[in-house]
Amino acid sequence: GESVGLHLPTLSVQEGDNSIINCAYSNSASDYFIWYKQESGKGPQFIIDIRSNMDKRQGQRVTVLLNKTVKHLSLQIAATQPGDSAVYFCAENKDDMRFGAGTRLTVKP
Amino acid sequence: KAGVTQTPRYLIKTRGQQVTLSCSPISGHRSVSWYQQTPGQGLQFLFEYFSETQRNKGNFPGRFSGRQFSNSRSEMNVSTLELGDSALYLCASSLGGSFYNTEAFFGQGTRLTVV
Repeated sequence: GESVGLHLPTLSVQEGDNSIINCAYSNSASDYFIWYKQESGKGPQFIIDIRSNMDKRQGQRVTVLLNKTVKHLSLQIAATQPGDSAVYFCAENKDDMRFGAGTRLTVKP
Repeated sequence: KAGVTQTPRYLIKTRGQQVTLSCSPISGHRSVSWYQQTPGQGLQFLFEYFSETQRNKGNFPGRFSGRQFSNSRSEMNVSTLELGDSALYLCASSLGGSFYNTEAFFGQGTRLTVV
């Protein structure tokens, strides 16, 4: 069936480096994509979203790229900080919102 | 404005019992979605309610049910609890629901432990 998935379960980066978290989706009809950050003991927190009529969207220190040709989504975090350590989920939305498995980002000081 | 509120935060139940979880969405939001989160399965969609009607349902057995009230507050119920139902149950509210592709805000979840 259709699914959303993440390429890597864990990612470790040095403080100050840029991070890239990837996501593959299989429902070509999905038209809205969201990245969430979940810290331990908390619910997922919205980071940034992008609609299917866009290829790129930038926020504060974060950029989401959407490649509809290969059904790929990525989240780029610039100058990664210790506070960015969390699990990151991508989600695709068509009739309902479906989440990927999540990537745990660890930032080393 | 107040965020999404889920109660209780923690719950311990025995196998075979039933449980009811509550979610109060952000004021003005009409859509409430429920998710089950476990280490092995990640975030799994349970169902979505919009204006008191179940609009979408995930692949969970009939033991999992829900409802939404006229004030948009939602409850989910799990009957005949099994050990595998132990999880963090999250609800998310949004303005128009998935149909309108609007951002969903999550509560902190209810941690259910079945013993």
